[in-house]
Amino acid sequence: EAGVVQSPRYKIIEKKQPVAFWCNPISGHNTLYWYRQNLGQGPELLIRYENEEAVDDSQLPKDRFSAERLKGVDSTLKIQPAELGDSAVYLCASRGLGRPDTQYFGPGTRLTVL
Amino acid sequence: AQTVTQSQPEMSVQEAETVTLSCTYDTSESDYYLFWYKQPPSRQMILVIRQEAYKQQNATENRFSVNFQKAAKSFSLKISDSQLGDAAMYFCAYPANNAGNMLTFGGGTRLMVKP
Repeated sequence: EAGVVQSPRYKIIEKKQPVAFWCNPISGHNTLYWYRQNLGQGPELLIRYENEEAVDDSQLPKDRFSAERLKGVDSTLKIQPAELGDSAVYLCASRGLGRPDTQYFGPGTRLTVL
Repeated sequence: AQTVTQSQPEMSVQEAETVTLSCTYDTSESDYYLFWYKQPPSRQMILVIRQEAYKQQNATENRFSVNFQKAAKSFSLKISDSQLGDAAMYFCAYPANNAGNMLTFGGGTRLMVKP
């Protein structure tokens, strides 16, 4: 079984530029999460999707961040415009019905904003 | 608010020895899950072990086991026969909302394994 796929793995941009991250969850997983992990800290949830619906986005900075999960499979997280403080690792995770308690993570995208 | 606390920012263990990583959490729920994730330098979060709170028996996965003390809200991870490949960041995690299973992570413990 393929794991959670994320791309790109690394991204370096200048501040005020836009950036987008892509996530392909494990096949059949209805729930998808985006987390942000700052250096030296644990991940923090940004948004949760149940199929194509964003059911919890209270931690997403909506002035510059947006996300979508068209057709309830792949998801894209966008930042526009990026700020220096957005430098972090962005992790995608998915969860299926078979093991409803367990999230499986992708390798993450390391974003550096200069 | 649910919180997860890992009081050891760094731990060191000699290869082949045993080490225990501590984690405490705060919850008012009675039925929940707890997780330990490993994050090597590649940044991939890898599930190490999970514990179901309603089970009295401590979970075990090969060289990894937990000491789950529900009343004390303590969930420590024991690594036996430590190997060089065990060196990583370890995060304790608790789903803050069982319906959504949104994980709250502790601050992490960096484990170093000495040859």
